[in-house]
Amino acid sequence: DGGITQSPKYLFRKEGQNVTLSCEQNLNHDAMYWYRQDPGQGLRLIYYSQIVNDFQKGDIAEGYSVSREKKESFPLTVTSAQKNPTAFYLCASSIDRATDTQYFGPGTRLTVL
Amino acid sequence: DQQVKQNSPSLSVQEGRISILNCDYTNSMFDYFLWYKKYPAEGPTFLISISSIKDKNEDGRFTVFLNKSAKHLSLHIVPSQPGDSAVYFCAASGRGNTGKLIFGQGTTLQVKP
Repeated sequence: DGGITQSPKYLFRKEGQNVTLSCEQNLNHDAMYWYRQDPGQGLRLIYYSQIVNDFQKGDIAEGYSVSREKKESFPLTVTSAQKNPTAFYLCASSIDRATDTQYFGPGTRLTVL
Repeated sequence: DQQVKQNSPSLSVQEGRISILNCDYTNSMFDYFLWYKKYPAEGPTFLISISSIKDKNEDGRFTVFLNKSAKHLSLHIVPSQPGDSAVYFCAASGRGNTGKLIFGQGTTLQVKP
């Protein structure tokens, strides 16, 4: 049963703490992406990775960090430097960098108290 | 600078009627367009896409039309069903793109029984 999983579904953290969101895919996709969605807005790209051990900043990378040590995993760390971390975070993947259709995971709702 | 715009935040239609969701873009380098459907607290689901070499693509009840001269695309849903009630995002990518998608703000469709 192939797909993209994100965990946890809901996450609560205190202000000033770093938190890591998990994203795993078993689709054998090369490319993976992290987006953020805020109420009434579209999806904004945080980071993306076209291949293992390589990643690039998206449009709103400040306050976030990622790693891509394995093809199937692309964790996102929300650091204390991110000024407005409360949001819905979505991970996506696509077959490769030339394929535009991205498939999304179920998302993680992060609330910073 | 919003390169992809969905100017209607919401749309309400009667079950069985046609739903038309609109999307405008400003970047003439975009050559691939996608529509995603999203339920609350879930990840977007890919619906349908169209390449700039076409002006229409159809998949069951869903048809996407592309007007390149007007930089406009639309999604038609016929007939509309209550289960179609969701937020619809259009997205675009460009030539030489690294796989990045630019999303519109979304349109909330409500299909009334």
